[in-house]
Amino acid sequence: GAVVSQHPSRVICKSGTSVKIECRSLDFQATTMFWYRQFPKQSLMLMATSNEGSKATYEQGVEKDKFLINHASLTLSTLTVTSAHPEDSSFYICSARDLEGFTEAFFGQGTRLTVV
Amino acid sequence: RKEVEQDPGPFNVPEGATVAFNCTYSNSASQSFFWYRQDCRKEPKLLMSVYSSGNEDGRFTAQLNRASQYISLLIRDSKLSDSATYLCVAFYNQGGKLIFGQGTELSVKP
Repeated sequence: GAVVSQHPSRVICKSGTSVKIECRSLDFQATTMFWYRQFPKQSLMLMATSNEGSKATYEQGVEKDKFLINHASLTLSTLTVTSAHPEDSSFYICSARDLEGFTEAFFGQGTRLTVV
Repeated sequence: RKEVEQDPGPFNVPEGATVAFNCTYSNSASQSFFWYRQDCRKEPKLLMSVYSSGNEDGRFTAQLNRASQYISLLIRDSKLSDSATYLCVAFYNQGGKLIFGQGTELSVKP
């Protein structure tokens, strides 16, 4: 099946620094990728929809200046957590659907971010 | 109110038991529905799609009732390996978003 690769899988950073997370579709092209955040014992919360070649669409309550999304190609979207704080510590996960519009979404392996 | 709501967990059942998960959704614009399975600290994986006519895949049966905006998942003859969190998911064609329920944790004991 289709594969989505997310990197890094785990990162620890100091408060105030920025962290970039990459999401790649390995064997299909994705005009749209989605970024989710999941806190312990909670569900995946959609943060934003990443659109290739245009601005991302952010969900209500998600700061676009804090969570920068770039979708420069049909196979790569990046999420940068700027000026990270301990409350940003979470599991971040991306998903992508292929151009054919098949409704199954494929997920990256997730990135566990710890801000100390 | 959450767009997709699930039974609170956890469900603790013995091996061989039958367990049912329920889910309701509030947005009638939701067009497709899925059950995903998520193991601890891993990404969600698609378990099965849900159709109005009901669909079965081995020990798993999913059902959708659009009139009641209700989705169910039935697991028969549960195995230890079924232990995971089960996520009810609604899909919107417009924007292609997947909206997740909070998940129901299942623990199957020997």
